[in-house]
Amino acid sequence: GNSVTQMEGPVTLSEEAFLTINCTYTATGYPSLFWYVQYPGEGLQLLLKATKADDKGSNKGFEATYRKETTSFHLEKGSVQVSDSAVYFCAHGGGSQGNLIFGKGTKLSVKP
Amino acid sequence: DTGVSQNPRHKITKRGQNVTFRCDPISEHNRLYWYRQTLGQGPEFLTYFQNEAQLEKSRLLSDRFSAERPKGSFSTLEIQRTEQGDSAMYLCASINSGSENYGYTFGSGTRLTVV
Repeated sequence: GNSVTQMEGPVTLSEEAFLTINCTYTATGYPSLFWYVQYPGEGLQLLLKATKADDKGSNKGFEATYRKETTSFHLEKGSVQVSDSAVYFCAHGGGSQGNLIFGKGTKLSVKP
Repeated sequence: DTGVSQNPRHKITKRGQNVTFRCDPISEHNRLYWYRQTLGQGPEFLTYFQNEAQLEKSRLLSDRFSAERPKGSFSTLEIQRTEQGDSAMYLCASINSGSENYGYTFGSGTRLTVV
């Protein structure tokens, strides 16, 4: 069935380190792919998206590329900041009711 | 555009009590979704509306749960006879049908604690 698998957290990095959070998915067809971010006590905010194969989504220094051949959408950032500390969710729009299918989330902590 | 608004932000209730949450979507969005997020998990789909019609309910939505969107604007989610397993964050999201590729707008959620 439809699912999203993210790397287990928590991930702890020092400021300015390189970040990769792996995400793979199973879906029928080629749904849009999303990364959402959740700061403590808040709802989900859309971070970036890609709607078709080979598309690269980017925002606030974060990037992810829609890889059809590996069914992946890994999140990367070249230099993380303390303010990037949050939980990151990978999702696809392949739910049967147009709903999003989410991964379990990866908690990122960035230390100064 | 004030975004998606959810009330209350937090709710603590005793087991067996009924609770009701409210979601005000972005005004021009015709689809409204409810999700549940338990600790350490991603959000899971509960139900959705297109305008005032409730078009689908997931298996997670037991008979104690009911949702309405009477005028196709705001929506309410009621849980009757709450159980400790209902403790979770309840998230609402809205979108216009046909715009799914652009991402859904989520509210800040209602955190329910059943004691």
